[in-house]
Amino acid sequence: ILNVEQSPQSLHVQEGDSTNFTCSFPSSNFYALHWYRWETAKSPEALFVMTLNGDEKKKGRISATLNTKEGYSYLYIKGSQPEDSATYLCAMNTDKLIFGTGTRLQVFP
Amino acid sequence: DVKVTQSSRYLVKRTGEKVFLECVQDMDHENMFWYRQDPGLGLRLIYFSYDVKMKEKGDIPEGYSVSREKKERFSLILESASTNQTSMYLCASSLGTSGEQYFGPGTRLTVT
Repeated sequence: ILNVEQSPQSLHVQEGDSTNFTCSFPSSNFYALHWYRWETAKSPEALFVMTLNGDEKKKGRISATLNTKEGYSYLYIKGSQPEDSATYLCAMNTDKLIFGTGTRLQVFP
Repeated sequence: DVKVTQSSRYLVKRTGEKVFLECVQDMDHENMFWYRQDPGLGLRLIYFSYDVKMKEKGDIPEGYSVSREKKERFSLILESASTNQTSMYLCASSLGTSGEQYFGPGTRLTVT
């Protein structure tokens, strides 16, 4: 059974702090790695879809890197804001998406 | 903007009832998915479909069935609801096999 792991499970930071979380996945059968942001009472929204080893993507203050050989991806948030509070999910794409359990981020003003 | 809608945000059903959860997407996506989300377990795939009238079992299909008669609509059916099916159910659609998925708002189902 393929397993995607995320750490930490939860994170509390002050506004303005930078933070990062990890997604680990089995490097065999890899096709793509997805990151989603899931805010309370809303639908999960895609942040990034990454396919190539060494890929680095950025959207505003959020960026992500991918290492397919060692099986991990990092998500970075620079200068966290309260509106960044959400659960961040990663998912490995084989023939379907296999999700991790998420990192719940809370940013305090 | 892609829009995925689900028929209900909250639903309360009794054990043994037949339950239909409807999902509609408006962007002509081939692929549609049903997940359930439980605390500490993440999103788990129940069923998916790559085309009309086509369905594939996901990781936890037991106790569920699906129907896809039209491209835009994917229904999840609980033939006889049980309390262990109390959960948040999310529908999603995507254009390609590896494309980003667009999620509906979710249906929180309680089976009493």
